[in-house]
Amino acid sequence: EVQLVESGGGLVQRGGSLRLSCAASGFTFSTYSMNWVRQGPGKGLEWISYISSTSSSTIHYADSVKGRFTISRDNAKNSLYLQMNSLRDEDSAVYYCARNIAVSYGMDVWGQGTTVTVSS
Amino acid sequence: QSALTQPASVSGSPGQSITISCTGTSSDVGGYNYVCWYQQNPGKAPKLLIYDVSNRPSGVSNRFSGSKSGNTASLTISGLQAEDEADYYCTSYKVGSTPWVFGGGTRLTVL
Repeated sequence: EVQLVESGGGLVQRGGSLRLSCAASGFTFSTYSMNWVRQGPGKGLEWISYISSTSSSTIHYADSVKGRFTISRDNAKNSLYLQMNSLRDEDSAVYYCARNIAVSYGMDVWGQGTTVTVSS
Repeated sequence: QSALTQPASVSGSPGQSITISCTGTSSDVGGYNYVCWYQQNPGKAPKLLIYDVSNRPSGVSNRFSGSKSGNTASLTISGLQAEDEADYYCTSYKVGSTPWVFGGGTRLTVL
């Protein structure tokens, strides 16, 4: 079964750091580009980061997280990561990892999400 | 404020067809055929319905269809069913520092 499982969410103080992980299974992880998407409480979806299948080639960030968040991947461990620093109240959200569809830019496989809560 | 504009809500009766619009600019929707649509049920992860404006992934019902005209993309759901009641989001590739943007989402109510 094709599956993505996020972990690492939790309660963190404003200004703190957190590292999210996404474990992939059931497909050849190294051949797919990956994304992180978040959803604040009662809000819509926000794309925040993209990494190509070859991690050194292409990485993108949303302006809202640029300079604070770092996406990375370990193809040997079938894992995707999001290092989040200098966390703000508005970073509180459910964070999803999502696989890019092989033929284009849609996200066809999503994890169940992990919740990050930033408190003062 | 989202970069792509969707109606906050739409409604329809079972069996009817509804259309959800997604309006952007020539820098996103109008400039590229990389518009996607997602369905999200409460407390669940989104599900990809449409990619590249009008393509359906394997397993998605043909009751869902996508199109684009100028800077506006549309998702049409035909033969509405109670199970279609959900939130729907469009997204597009975008020129600039943030390459992908979502619409604000549309809540579909099946009457």
